[in-house]
Parts: sequence; C-alpha cells; structure tokens
Amino acid sequence: DAGVTQSPTHLIKTRGQQVTLRCSPKSGHDTVSWYQQALGQGPQFIFQYYEEEERQRGNFPDRFSGHQFPNYSSELNVNALLLGDSALYLCASSRRRQSYEQYFGPGTRLTVT
Amino acid sequence: GQQVMQIPQYQHVQEGEDFTTYCNSSTTLSNIQWYKQRPGGHPVFLIQLVKSGEVKKQKRLTFQFGEAKKNSSLHITATQTTDVGTYFCAGRGNEKLTFGTGTRLTIIP
Repeated sequence: DAGVTQSPTHLIKTRGQQVTLRCSPKSGHDTVSWYQQALGQGPQFIFQYYEEEERQRGNFPDRFSGHQFPNYSSELNVNALLLGDSALYLCASSRRRQSYEQYFGPGTRLTVT
Repeated sequence: GQQVMQIPQYQHVQEGEDFTTYCNSSTTLSNIQWYKQRPGGHPVFLIQLVKSGEVKKQKRLTFQFGEAKKNSSLHITATQTTDVGTYFCAGRGNEKLTFGTGTRLTIIP
C-alpha cells in the first residue's frame, strides 16, 4: 500500500516564475492538505481540499492556489514566486475533511533564486 | 489568530535521561495531535488527544492534554538514540490544524 507521494522531490525556480507541485494521497484517503515548512520551523497550513473543493485556507496570499482531481490527487500552484517562498512543501492526506490522523508525504524542496 | 507555542526550542539529553516538551495554545482546542519529524524527514503522526485531562501512553512516551484543553505535554522516559528528532504538537481549534514551533531533541550517547 503506497503512502503519500509527492513530485518533484526538489525544484529550483527564479523569482517571478510559477511552480506546480503534485501530491497523490494514501490509498483510501479523500482529503488533502498542503503545508509550507520553512527551515527550522513548524509546518504552516496553506489549504485543504475535499471533494475537489478548497474547504479551509490558512493565511497565505492568492498567489497560492490548488486543485483536487476526481482521483483525490492534488496540485499546489504558486505564482509570481518570491525568495521567501523557498521552503519544504508538504502534502498530507487523511480520510475525511476533519480527520484525526494525517499522513505526510516526503515533501518537495523548493528553492527560489 | 490561533498560536501554538512549544518549549523548550532545543533539548540535549544524555541517553537514558528523560525528556519533556510542553505545548501551549492561545485558544481552547477541540483536540491536539503530536508528530515526530526526523532530520531530513517529514512529520509522522504519533497520537491524538481529545478529552480534557486525557493521558495516553505509547511504550516510553506519555502524552497529556490539559484540563482547560489549551496545553499539552509529551514525556519520553529513558531516551534512546532513536528518539532523535523534532517533536511538534498541532492543535485543532477553528477546524484548522496549527502546528507548534517544535522541540528539537538531540541525544548524547
């Protein structure tokens, strides 16, 4: 049984560019949450998707957007990249919108130069 | 907005000593979760506490949820080198999960 997978593993982008990160949830999970983790800090909640809709959102600007597909996989898009967007982006899946247990993927390390 | 703080930020202990990290929320929580993140890894779910005053144990780990549901603690007895990592609490208040600042545990063999 595959766990949460994310792609790519690492990514280097230039300021102003756009990036798309991908996540496949654990089998049987229907809810996907995205987090940003800066070095030495705890994960910061970006948003959560359930039934292909954004259900909750953290304090992130509109440059951060997402999508969930019918197979429950999800994408995180970030437009007009800033140096401060450099971080580890984590995807977490769970069984329902307010599920107790989240399974995290290995993350995508984004570096903006 | 909801804030979740943890102390200490860092803890260095001799192997075999005990370790405790404390978590405090600015608002009352519906539940609290604990995660462990190894260096270079991703957070791994340890446990969830829901009831006021709840205490749960997992082998050498003891988790407590405060009576007011605003604080929590994780205690590890007789630490081992495999306990190395950063321990995060994550509190759920207004349906959103807010992670704490984390406590990084290092073990001196």
